[in-house]
Amino acid sequence: AQSVAQPEDQVNVAEGNPLTVKCTYSVSGNPYLFWYVQYPNRGLQFLLKYITGDNLVKGSYGFEAEFNKSQTSFHLKKPSALVSDSALYFCAVRDIAGTASKLTFGTGTRLQVTL
Amino acid sequence: DTGVSQDPRHKITKRGQNVTFRCDPISEHNRLYWYRQTLGQGPEFLTYFQNEAQLEKSRLLSDRFSAERPKGSFSTLEIQRTEQGDSAMYLCASSSIRAGGSISGTDTQYFGPGTRLTVL
Repeated sequence: AQSVAQPEDQVNVAEGNPLTVKCTYSVSGNPYLFWYVQYPNRGLQFLLKYITGDNLVKGSYGFEAEFNKSQTSFHLKKPSALVSDSALYFCAVRDIAGTASKLTFGTGTRLQVTL
Repeated sequence: DTGVSQDPRHKITKRGQNVTFRCDPISEHNRLYWYRQTLGQGPEFLTYFQNEAQLEKSRLLSDRFSAERPKGSFSTLEIQRTEQGDSAMYLCASSSIRAGGSISGTDTQYFGPGTRLTVL
């Protein structure tokens, strides 16, 4: 079975500072990994995904994520946080060895960016 | 707006009533997914369709739940005899798998705004 862990319920960072939101995964085969962001009372917005190739993936709004196979991690990063980045962030995994097309999500990490 | 749309956005119902939600995917997306999200949790997969065929259902989808996508376009999710435990945000997503054009599993799912169900 595939699973995702987001070890931090909340991350606090000052505007202008770098941010990292952590994600680790477990799959039986090779993973496809995704990050989504959710604003209050809204659906999920796609940020970026890792399929294969370069371990550093660049996405929307200046976000990037680094795939680390040995550590089974896919941490979300941004060099300089904005107050408007404050939201709920979800990591998700899809196991390419499985037949299902579903995404398995983590429990989410709330990012709070303050002035 | 050409994104995924869901109707209604909010639904309040009494326990025991039936409710139906609608999802309109992005035009020409052939895959459609339903997820459920409860407070403090990530979305949980319920079911998905490729065109009009329902290819997988989660064990979360009890026999009170039924989903359809009759013409391979919009989809409906019906909950019969609602219970308080059904209170959640119901999210719909769509994606495109082009025959021979992409590896299954690499498609990106685009989500709608959700329908928030409250069962009193």
